Amino acid sequence: ETGVTQSPTHLIKTRGQQVTLRCSSQSGHNTVSWYQQALGQGPQFIFQYYREEENGRGNFPPRFSGLQFPNYSSELNVNALELDDSALYLCASSFDRGFQETQYFGPGTRLLVL
Amino acid sequence: AQSVTQLGSHVSVSEGALVLLRCNYSSSVPPYLFWYVQYPNQGLQLLLKYTSAATLVKGINGFEAEFKKSETSFHLTKPSAHMSDAAEYFCAVSHTGGFKTIFGAGTRLFVKA
Repeated sequence: ETGVTQSPTHLIKTRGQQVTLRCSSQSGHNTVSWYQQALGQGPQFIFQYYREEENGRGNFPPRFSGLQFPNYSSELNVNALELDDSALYLCASSFDRGFQETQYFGPGTRLLVL
Repeated sequence: AQSVTQLGSHVSVSEGALVLLRCNYSSSVPPYLFWYVQYPNQGLQLLLKYTSAATLVKGINGFEAEFKKSETSFHLTKPSAHMSDAAEYFCAVSHTGGFKTIFGAGTRLFVKA
């Protein structure tokens, strides 16, 4: 167990709705990254937050947004859900934002968009 | 631009046999390389990482990987497969000055009794 928790574990939404996914980082970690893992694929980087500020973003549209709170927990928000948003969403926390830092992954939230 | 190619989406070995999972990377700057394992319905767990120290990296559960710059490879090996090794394995790369990790598509390892 990594100490990183995510909620909910599963979620079903319909197209056009909005969703908020939550992540609690491992104690002492100030950086969190979010990934989308479609079925049969590797995780795709969405964005990273460092000390409550966005530190970088992957190739995802603006309807994917995030927040990191003072206790370093975080949220991923997705607006106007599309069918292709169905995936496993993973958050990963790390001690710092460096490229070589070990990321500790949560178990993920599986989102199904109908 | 960085990229990772994992050769073989599925690999099947017998219990006790050598495990070899292949990973090739592309990076214009010195890379940092990782192998992660994902068990069904779980998140990713770090097996090992290369950060420019020794080229042969030893990880958890008996796995190791060798960084070969000339071949741009970082293949994962384990001398003797165990049934509990059956899982999905991901190779990943990041680099100096970058903030994101690029993952390969994954290789599913099957272990036959």
